[in-house]
Amino acid sequence: QQQVKQSPQSLIVQKGGISIINCAYENTAFDYFPWYQQFPGKGPALLIAIRPDVSEKKEGRFTISFNKSAKQFSLHIMDSQPGDSATYFCAASRGQAGTALIFGKGTTLSVSS
Amino acid sequence: KAGVTQTPRYLIKTRGQQVTLSCSPISGHRSVSWYQQTPGQGLQFLFEYFSETQRNKGNFPGRFSGRQFSNSRSEMNVSTLELGDSALYLCASSSGHPGADTQYFGPGTRLTVL
Repeated sequence: QQQVKQSPQSLIVQKGGISIINCAYENTAFDYFPWYQQFPGKGPALLIAIRPDVSEKKEGRFTISFNKSAKQFSLHIMDSQPGDSATYFCAASRGQAGTALIFGKGTTLSVSS
Repeated sequence: KAGVTQTPRYLIKTRGQQVTLSCSPISGHRSVSWYQQTPGQGLQFLFEYFSETQRNKGNFPGRFSGRQFSNSRSEMNVSTLELGDSALYLCASSSGHPGADTQYFGPGTRLTVL
């Protein structure tokens, strides 16, 4: 049972465009939702994270939008750059210390110049 | 602060062998989690250690085990290796305290089983 569904699997965006990646979760006990960025040969790096008490969080060009009633959250990358080309993973956890991060399958983003 | 370090970075083993991977968390972090990353299954949680105790465990067979030392360094062992164990094994550290959810990942150990 996949608890976090991520789409699309791959995404091609023009330089300067907006990249949007969506995730949906099933477990209403989840209360921590991070996004990770992974480059080839590297481990995932935390980009931005949100808790369900807010509907949006912005850090630089990265924004998380969160819809608790729909059990969905999304990552928006504004002014996408070639350096943003990477694989992005959404994740969710119950937010208690020691609980596992449940990851989506990932989205491979290519930003063309 | 130095990040999470994992050794070795690459390993090649044959079926039936066993392997031990090592992880040093960020200084001051007491929680270490291990994940397996494969193209087919994605990132899957193996287990988490805090203060030398396994606090949480994923759905993996008993061939996968781990431990944590008093300095918070952790090791993961896989016995009787199978071809399907070929993967990137990632270690993540966090403070381990309630509300401190952020997990910081190391670069991983790439295990190839022949």
